[in-house]
Amino acid sequence: QQPVQSPQAVILREGEDAVINCSSSKALYSVHWYRQKHGEAPVFLMILLKGGEQKGHDKISASFNEKKQQSSLYLTASQLSYSGTYFCGTEPYTGFQKLVFGTGTRLLVSP
Amino acid sequence: EAEVAQSPRYKITEKSQAVAFWCDPISGHATLYWYRQILGQGPELLVQFQDESVVDDSQLPKDRFSAERLKGVDSTLKIQPAELGDSAMYLCASSFVRLADHNEQFFGPGTRLTVL
Repeated sequence: QQPVQSPQAVILREGEDAVINCSSSKALYSVHWYRQKHGEAPVFLMILLKGGEQKGHDKISASFNEKKQQSSLYLTASQLSYSGTYFCGTEPYTGFQKLVFGTGTRLLVSP
Repeated sequence: EAEVAQSPRYKITEKSQAVAFWCDPISGHATLYWYRQILGQGPELLVQFQDESVVDDSQLPKDRFSAERLKGVDSTLKIQPAELGDSAMYLCASSFVRLADHNEQFFGPGTRLTVL
């Protein structure tokens, strides 16, 4: 079953923060986050493994709560280049190395 | 920087015709994936290869779709016959994955298929 992301869409002004959530009905081994710009391929952002770790890359970070089967992506001080559609890819215990992508969150950052 | 190559980038065909897509993964990547992405939705896995073997093709419509990776390097995805509902972006991804690894997948630019 496809993970559910929220919100479906968000509009920000440059410099504002945003949180994107990903929720799965299955027990997860890992969560991957990707950003896709219109007409382009998804680009990898980060992986979070079981253990409740939190990762960060520049001003984008994420957390993974394996007990709740949820992950959140945090975008701080957003830049114009952050615009795009964000997908979480969940790796269930029953599908090793196989990702099930979420419903997507469209993010638009305006000047 | 190494990239996943796909061709063609765009394909327009009429229903009932056969189409084929090609993917060349990043050198050394053992795992190759084919995804279908309908506009506005997330990628959906069609088939997963580990070297030349199919690991998962449970979501592949086998009555019309086929995929092969004969020498464990590049791969071909075929649709015959194409149907209107097959219009989508077909993405190929590869990963340097070994047992117990959980590495990122690198996506190619995709092939946008339009079936008329």
